Amino acid sequence: EVQLVQSGGGLVKPGGSLRLSCATSAPTFSSFSMNWVRQAPGQGLEWVSSISSSGAYTFYADSVKGRFTISRENANNSLYLQMNSLRAEDTAVYYCARSRGPFDYWGQGTLVTVSS
Amino acid sequence: DIQMSQSPSSLSASVGDRVTITCRASQGISNHLAWYQQRPGRVPKLLIYAASTLQSGVPFRFSGRGSGTDFTLTISGLQPEDVATYYCQSYNSAPEFTFGPGTKVEIK
Repeated sequence: EVQLVQSGGGLVKPGGSLRLSCATSAPTFSSFSMNWVRQAPGQGLEWVSSISSSGAYTFYADSVKGRFTISRENANNSLYLQMNSLRAEDTAVYYCARSRGPFDYWGQGTLVTVSS
Repeated sequence: DIQMSQSPSSLSASVGDRVTITCRASQGISNHLAWYQQRPGRVPKLLIYAASTLQSGVPFRFSGRGSGTDFTLTISGLQPEDVATYYCQSYNSAPEFTFGPGTKVEIK
């Protein structure tokens, strides 16, 4: 069973920054693309960003392009999401998820609240 | 960009009922369609991928069908633990993904 353990998140003011982390002990981490998905309060799921297995390729939803940066450290089995210029509409639970096409393993989620 | 729609947005059914949820893609996505279950307050869980392949450990009362633009998720014999919101997802344009808006399933 693959476990993805998230950390980071919390309360930040509009315009501020936050970094989310997602770690696993699974030895196959470097073989899979990874993703961030978010869910605003009472809303549905929104794909945010993806990164290839090597980290060479990254992709973003239009809503976060230019403000968020996804990265990974395969040596440490870790995934990151650097979030800058945060807005109230970025308030959501953020999940990391492994993809092999569909998203087969998910982190526990971490709440990001953007408010003054 | 691919858009995903689902119907109905919510439904209420009795224990033991057969429940069907429909998902439609704005353009053909072959069978690159997954279904997820999200119980209240819980993490989404992969139920079905490749439109009709059951993820390991998922009860056989769940089934999926479809190809191209039209897909269905069926629960054959609704159980109390099936109360959840169900999302379809296209991964045809991976590494960019699109989720449907969700269908909330409740027990009558």
